[in-house]
Amino acid sequence: AQSVTQPDIHITVSEGASLELRCNYSYGATPYLFWYVQSPGQGLQLLLKYFSGDTLVQGIKGFEAEFKRSQSSFNLRKPSVHWSDAAEYFCAVGNMEYGNKLVFGAGTILRVKS
Amino acid sequence: DSGVTQTPKHLITATGQRVTLRCSPRSGDLSVYWYQQSLDQGLQFLIQYYNGEERAKGNILERFSAQQFPDLHSELNLSSLELGDSALYFCASSVESSGNTIYFGEGSWLTVV
Repeated sequence: AQSVTQPDIHITVSEGASLELRCNYSYGATPYLFWYVQSPGQGLQLLLKYFSGDTLVQGIKGFEAEFKRSQSSFNLRKPSVHWSDAAEYFCAVGNMEYGNKLVFGAGTILRVKS
Repeated sequence: DSGVTQTPKHLITATGQRVTLRCSPRSGDLSVYWYQQSLDQGLQFLIQYYNGEERAKGNILERFSAQQFPDLHSELNLSSLELGDSALYFCASSVESSGNTIYFGEGSWLTVV
């Protein structure tokens, strides 16, 4: 069965500092991988996705993620965090064999301190 | 704005009652998904429809049912509501049934009192 682990429940970074949010997945075949962001009281906004090809993918708001098959990881990065990035971030894995169901990690809450 | 529209945004109802949540997918999307987000269980996939037919089922309770209509909008029906059903219910859509990006609506907040 698919599973996604986000080991960090909370992360606090200073504004302007770099950010890396970790995501590890368990899935037998080549996964589809996504990062979504949820601001308080808001829906889920897609940041970026990986289906195939270049393992470094660029997303919106200056985010990027790197797919590392050997480590079963898809970590999200941003070189310089802004206060508006404070939100909850979800990693998700999908597959083709069973519809398009996404399995989500538990989420990482990002706090940005000024 | 993802283009996925959900109504109502907020709903408060009593235990034992029944509610219907409505979703309009993005224009051109044939597949609709329902997810439940709760504090204790996180984001859980409930069910997927593609072009009117059920495609995949997740952890959906028997008290819950869904359908997708010919105009592709979808409804999630929750009956015999319990306190534990209080959650944020997301609808999402994608163009095809697999291998596509899934876009989420802003959710319907259900509070059962």
